[in-house]
Amino acid sequence: GENVEQHPSTLSVQEGDSAVIKCTYSDSASNYFPWYKQELGKRPQLIIDIRSNVGEKKDQRIAVTLNKTAKHFSLHITETQPEDSAVYFCAASELTGGGNKLTFGTGTQLKVEL
Amino acid sequence: DTEVTQTPKHLVMGMTNKKSLKCEQHMGHRAMYWYKQKAKKPPELMFVYSYEKLSINESVPSRFSPECPNSSLLNLHLHALQPEDSALYLCASSQEKQGGNEQFFGPGTRLTVL
Repeated sequence: GENVEQHPSTLSVQEGDSAVIKCTYSDSASNYFPWYKQELGKRPQLIIDIRSNVGEKKDQRIAVTLNKTAKHFSLHITETQPEDSAVYFCAASELTGGGNKLTFGTGTQLKVEL
Repeated sequence: DTEVTQTPKHLVMGMTNKKSLKCEQHMGHRAMYWYKQKAKKPPELMFVYSYEKLSINESVPSRFSPECPNSSLLNLHLHALQPEDSALYLCASSQEKQGGNEQFFGPGTRLTVL
């Protein structure tokens, strides 16, 4: 089955700096890579996703890059703000119908300091 | 309605009790999911329903019994649980088609087994 590794496990940045979180996956059949943000005591919320036919996707301060050959993808957050503090999970799945089986990375606790 | 709702928010039960968790969505999604999340860990997939049929069971113990009465509802019946089953149980839903695979999570039920 799929295995997703995520680094770093904790990340502390100053407000306004950039943050980068990296994930690798093992199954070359995976073709969908979402990123979720989970604040303490709250539900995971999708912040951005990318499909394997795209190398990069951007949404305001958030961007994701995908390298299919190396089987890794990264989340980039620019101009970080205190409200970006949360746990971020990457995930991977193969979209085949019959539901979408997400395999999550272990999570990154991001802390944005004033 | 663009939300997944879950009841109850909190549940405390003994090891001999029988209880049920409920999940509802009115987004017309035809795939629904149960996840288990322990503290400081990623969500772990338990079950997937596609068009009200069980499509994935991640080798979950039989003390957890899912049910999908219709396309909007998903239940998780609990019986003879163990203290290690204490966790946040998350429900999610998604469209069931290629390209429409964002999973929307509910707020979760915090389960404590005594």
